[in-house]
Amino acid sequence: SQKIEQNSEALNIQEGKTATLTCNYTNYSPAYLQWYRQDPGRGPVFLLLIRENEKEKRKERLKVTFDTTLKQSLFHITASQPADSATYLCALEGDYGNNRLAFGKGNQVVVIP
Amino acid sequence: DVKVTQSSRYLVKRTGEKVFLECVQDMDHENMFWYRQDPGLGLRLIYFSYDVKMKEKGDIPEGYSVSREKKERFSLILESASTNQTSMYLCASSSDRGPETQYFGPGTRLLVL
Repeated sequence: SQKIEQNSEALNIQEGKTATLTCNYTNYSPAYLQWYRQDPGRGPVFLLLIRENEKEKRKERLKVTFDTTLKQSLFHITASQPADSATYLCALEGDYGNNRLAFGKGNQVVVIP
Repeated sequence: DVKVTQSSRYLVKRTGEKVFLECVQDMDHENMFWYRQDPGLGLRLIYFSYDVKMKEKGDIPEGYSVSREKKERFSLILESASTNQTSMYLCASSSDRGPETQYFGPGTRLLVL
């Protein structure tokens, strides 16, 4: 089955800098990949979806890239703000053959004022 | 906007009690999911349903059952609660029409004493 890896260490970053998170996956070739944000004690919230034929997707200060050769997605938060502090999860369609998603464990971002 | 609601934000139960967690979505989504989330383990799928009265086991179904009598409602049942079922429980829904973006409820934090 597919395996999704996100950095387990929190990313501490100064306000105004660009935060970059990595999502690596193995054993599968998904048609699309998604990113979610999760605040403490809350459910994840969908942010962005990028398809296999798209190299890059943007939404306001967020940018996602998808490299199907490397089996990797990068998630960037530009001009980061303290309000961006959260855990970010990547997810991809699984090889289950149904409507399930496979989620990474998430990577915490802490933006320091 | 999609809205997924869960019956309780916090719940305290005793070992051996039968526990019902309710989830309701208002977007006519076909698919509904129950996850539990524990520190360091990420989101783990307990059960999901792709239609009324249909259910499929996820990765950790032991000790749980589900019920979907109406399209908008998906219930998670802990037949006999145990302390190792203390966790954050998250419900999600998604549509069959397009990529399987999941919309999550706010979560129920369950403590079993």
